[in-house]
Amino acid sequence: QLQLQESGSRLVKPSQTLSLTCDVSGVSIDGSSYSWIWLRQPPGKGLEWIGYIYDTGNTYYNQSLKSRLSLSVDTSKNQFFLSLTSVTAADTAVYYCARGSWGSAIDSWGQGTLVTVSS
Amino acid sequence: SFVLTQSPPVSVAPGQTATITCGGDEIGTKSVHWYQQKPGQAPVLVVHDDSDRPSGIPERFSGSTSWSTATLTINRVEVGDEADYYCQVWDRGVEHPVVFGGGTKLTVL
Repeated sequence: QLQLQESGSRLVKPSQTLSLTCDVSGVSIDGSSYSWIWLRQPPGKGLEWIGYIYDTGNTYYNQSLKSRLSLSVDTSKNQFFLSLTSVTAADTAVYYCARGSWGSAIDSWGQGTLVTVSS
Repeated sequence: SFVLTQSPPVSVAPGQTATITCGGDEIGTKSVHWYQQKPGQAPVLVVHDDSDRPSGIPERFSGSTSWSTATLTINRVEVGDEADYYCQVWDRGVEHPVVFGGGTKLTVL
């Protein structure tokens, strides 16, 4: 059974870098045709797509975050990663990692992790 | 970029029917997916590809689409259905391929 689990910095100071890891278990990222997705949800607001990555390392970014965003993958550890630089309070959100494929539903989600940007 | 517009918050009594809509330009040409999100929890897929239910989702949940509107219908609403519901599509526009509606709050009276 597929499971995804986010981990990483929970409190980040303004202008610093937010880093998150998604541990994937139950299925191998390597060789899959899935999109490994990051999303976020500011407190009290809706869902926002951040970007996704394939096992090949190909990435697709939300254009509004592209200048600050980097996604990567380590298939040997069955993990994928998010790095968001120069954060502000507007980046405070619950961050989710998830699995999907183009055109299909996002069928598995991590439990989410709240990241707060504050000094 | 593609925009999905969801209906306002809805309140229904237990046992009644709740209808949530999601509008978008030619949405009928896309596959629409619906997610349920309860407070403090991750979203859960309740309808995929317009009208299919994942395993474990009650038959009370159903979806349909027309040219410009997708609809999520919840029959015989239960207290446990109270949640935010989001529609989602993939758009071939390169800039923003994953699109969510703004969400609709369902309150069960």
